[in-house]
Amino acid sequence: KNEVEQSPQNLTAQEGEFITINCSYSVGISALHWLQQHPGGGIVSLFMLSSGKKKHGRLIATINIQEKHSSLHITASHPRDSAVYICAVCSNTGNQFYFGTGTSLTVIP
Amino acid sequence: DAGVIQSPRHEVTEMGQEVTLRCKPISGHNSLFWYRQTMMRGLELLIYFNNNVPIDDSGMPEDRFSAKMPNASFSTLKIQPSEPRDSAVYFCASSLQQNYGYTFGSGTRLTVV
Repeated sequence: KNEVEQSPQNLTAQEGEFITINCSYSVGISALHWLQQHPGGGIVSLFMLSSGKKKHGRLIATINIQEKHSSLHITASHPRDSAVYICAVCSNTGNQFYFGTGTSLTVIP
Repeated sequence: DAGVIQSPRHEVTEMGQEVTLRCKPISGHNSLFWYRQTMMRGLELLIYFNNNVPIDDSGMPEDRFSAKMPNASFSTLKIQPSEPRDSAVYFCASSLQQNYGYTFGSGTRLTVV
């Protein structure tokens, strides 16, 4: 069983659509990260969350610690948002890091 | 700031050879992380350092892998001897604190033939 589960695995959207990517985890955590990996391979850290909600431009990340669930939302999606989005958590025991398998997003013009 | 700098960008080597990957973190960052990404296993944390000290190396797959951080501005990941199954993209990342938003390097694509 994976400690971090993401859904959906693949997502295709029309430009302008509102997008939600979900992440559920099974361990106690000290922080959750959302990463973005573009087709060229580079990885960008989007958010680090330990509670509540964060917003950066068209991206919003939320976390519910009690439910062990986080969501990444993209408003007014654009083709340049096409990437793989990876959820990662740092456990609060032993400082272990666990990664989801990623959600591949394609935004069509 | 030039960001996290990794070298080389690409490395092709023969099985059995020693491979050394290098990382220069962002100046002032005191946490450094080495990751490996493959199609089969996705992204995995290999080891991370706080203030140049290895904190958790439980992700290092075998004794053939070793990592050092002799000072705050340089780290190496060494594989000796290399095997074809080590072929992957190896990323280095640094952050101000362990959980404070990471900056990733561009990665080193390693191919062991």
